[in-house]
Amino acid sequence: KAGVTQTPRYLIKTRGQQVTLSCSPISGHRSVSWYQQTPGQGLQFLFEYFSETQRNKGNFPGRFSGRQFSNSRSEMNVSTLELGDSALYLCASSYKGPDTQYFGPGTRLTVL
Amino acid sequence: AQSVTQLDSHVSVSEGTPVLLRCNYSSSYSPSLFWYVQHPNKGLQLLLKYTSAATLVKGINGFEAEFKKSETSFHLTKPSAHMSDAAEYFCVVTRPGSSNTGKLIFGQGTTLQVKP
Repeated sequence: KAGVTQTPRYLIKTRGQQVTLSCSPISGHRSVSWYQQTPGQGLQFLFEYFSETQRNKGNFPGRFSGRQFSNSRSEMNVSTLELGDSALYLCASSYKGPDTQYFGPGTRLTVL
Repeated sequence: AQSVTQLDSHVSVSEGTPVLLRCNYSSSYSPSLFWYVQHPNKGLQLLLKYTSAATLVKGINGFEAEFKKSETSFHLTKPSAHMSDAAEYFCVVTRPGSSNTGKLIFGQGTTLQVKP
């Protein structure tokens, strides 16, 4: 099976812009979770989607949002970008949620 | 609430010597525990997982970990380090069951350096 794919792999934006990241899970996986990785805060959970519904959300401001489509692909959106949003954004998929999660390679976002 | 503490931010070993990466967890429930590895500029790869079956868990690339409830520990070991093991390792805890869907709690990571 193909692994989790994320696009784009690298992104450079300026403050105030918005960005959309995409994640395609492993075929058959219905749960998609998003994580932010920074040197200072480490890996932090953003949110999780299952069957197009957000089931769990981390402690991030409302500027961070997401959605999941009927084919389980997920997108994450960050509006009004701040310098502190520069991070590696990782997407993970699993069959149904509290299972082993398989990670994609990540999208490296740089905010200037 | 759940949390995980990796006791060493950096571990350095010589090639061919044993590896020990330490992890303590805190959980109000019987946890699921994982070790993931991240090589530079790569995503996370699952090394092994504990889900209340055998307490000694064997993973990929010769790694194993032992779940010790009395010590709330889940240390990762490997008998003989290889240069390709140099990476960052994350200990992860989650609560199995639908009420904590898809949320992994990560430790701060341990950087493993392997010297020739």
